[in-house]
Amino acid sequence: NAGVTQTPKFRILKIGQSMTLQCTQDMNHNYMYWYRQDPGMGLKLIYYSVGAGITDKGEVPNGYNVSRSTTEDFPLRLELAAPSQTSVYFCASIDSPVREEQFFGPGTRLTVL
Amino acid sequence: KQEVTQIPAALSVPEGENLVLNCSFTDSAIYNLQWFRQDPGKGLTSLLLIQSSQREQTSGRLNASLDKSSGRSTLYIAASQPGDSATYLCAVRDRNYGQNFVFGPGTRLSVLP
Repeated sequence: NAGVTQTPKFRILKIGQSMTLQCTQDMNHNYMYWYRQDPGMGLKLIYYSVGAGITDKGEVPNGYNVSRSTTEDFPLRLELAAPSQTSVYFCASIDSPVREEQFFGPGTRLTVL
Repeated sequence: KQEVTQIPAALSVPEGENLVLNCSFTDSAIYNLQWFRQDPGKGLTSLLLIQSSQREQTSGRLNASLDKSSGRSTLYIAASQPGDSATYLCAVRDRNYGQNFVFGPGTRLSVLP
C-alpha cells in the first residue's frame, strides 16, 4: 500500500512552459485535493475532486487545470507557467467524507524561472 | 472568511520538556480540526483528528484538545524528544467553505538534546 504518490519530486520550468504534476493514490479514496505551500504560509487549496469525473475549484485555481478520469489519478496541469507558481505542490486524499482524515503525498517542488 | 493562526511561529526546547502548541481559528462553524507534522522537504503526516463533537484526542505522547466556542486547539507533547523536531500544522474543515480545509502557517519545533 503506497498511499499517495507524486511525480516528479523536483522540476524547473521556464516562463511560459507547461507541465503536468502527477498524483496517484491506491487507497480507493474518492476525495482528492491539490494544495500549494509557499514559504511561511499555510497550504492553499487549488482544486479538489469528490470522485471520478467531478472536479471543482478551490481558493487559488487560476493558472491551473485538473482532470479526474479514474479514482486513482488526479493530475494537475500548469499552462503558461509564471514565476508566481513557484511553490511546493501537495496532493492529498481523505479516507471518508464522514471522518475526513487527510493523507498527503511527498510533494513536488516547482521553480519557474 | 475562516482564518487559522498558530503561535508561536517557532519554538526551541530542551529534551524532556512537556510543551504546548497553539492553534486559533476565527469561525467556530467547523466540522473537524486536524493536526499534522511536516518534516523538512516532506509531505504532511496526520497526527490527530478531532471531530467538532469531540473535546480531545490522544495518541501516545500527543494530546490535542478542541474548544470550538473560543476558537482554539492545543497540541500537548509530553516528554519531548529530538525526533519530535518538525513543523506542526493545524487545519480546520470549515462548514461554510465547501471542501476547503483551512491551514495555519505552522509552528517550527526544535527539541535540543
